[in-house]
Amino acid sequence: QKEVEQNSGPLSVPEGAIASLNCTYSDRGSQSFFWYRQYSGKSPELIMSIYSNGDKEDGRFTAQLNKASQYVSLLIRDSQPSDSATYLCAVNILTGGATNKLIFGTGTLLAVQP
Amino acid sequence: EPEVTQTPSHQVTQMGQEVILRCVPISNHLYFYWYRQILGQKVEFLVSFYNNEISEKSEIFDDQFSVERPDGSNFTLKIRSTKLEDSAMYFCASSGSSLDFRGYTFGSGTRLTVV
Repeated sequence: QKEVEQNSGPLSVPEGAIASLNCTYSDRGSQSFFWYRQYSGKSPELIMSIYSNGDKEDGRFTAQLNKASQYVSLLIRDSQPSDSATYLCAVNILTGGATNKLIFGTGTLLAVQP
Repeated sequence: EPEVTQTPSHQVTQMGQEVILRCVPISNHLYFYWYRQILGQKVEFLVSFYNNEISEKSEIFDDQFSVERPDGSNFTLKIRSTKLEDSAMYFCASSGSSLDFRGYTFGSGTRLTVV
């Protein structure tokens, strides 16, 4: 069973701080990794993707990938109350078929305190 | 920005009834998916669809479920005889490429409530 593990939180950080969200995955063959943000009652929104070991920065967001440790993280700098949401880690599982399948973690609830 | 459109946003149905959830994927996308999320649980893969046929399905996607792309634009999920445990948010997703996969665009979801 291919799994994606996240700490469910809540992770509480003060406004302006760095929020650090972590994820581990079990499938060593996975090559692409995604972070989605989900507000309560809404659909997941893609915020970052990462495919190579190392860091990838996009605005206030930095994704980090370590395939040897099977570990993905997301850093949010200068956290804002509007960043308060559940952050879902998703891993693309190679199925051998024509399509891609994402396996999601349970998500980490982030609460940014004003 | 292109969107994946889902209708209805909320559907209430009686146990045993058939429901059809509808999705209009992004127009130039070729790969289509249904996921579901039971309240408080993780987003789960149901089925993927490409070239007018199912590419992969999960254990959840049993004989009560079917998908169809009836007219080249809509992509539907049918549940033949709903059960209480089918109550969930159902998300449609599409992607433009399989080899150069850059993640899905999800629709806004249909909340299905079975009573």
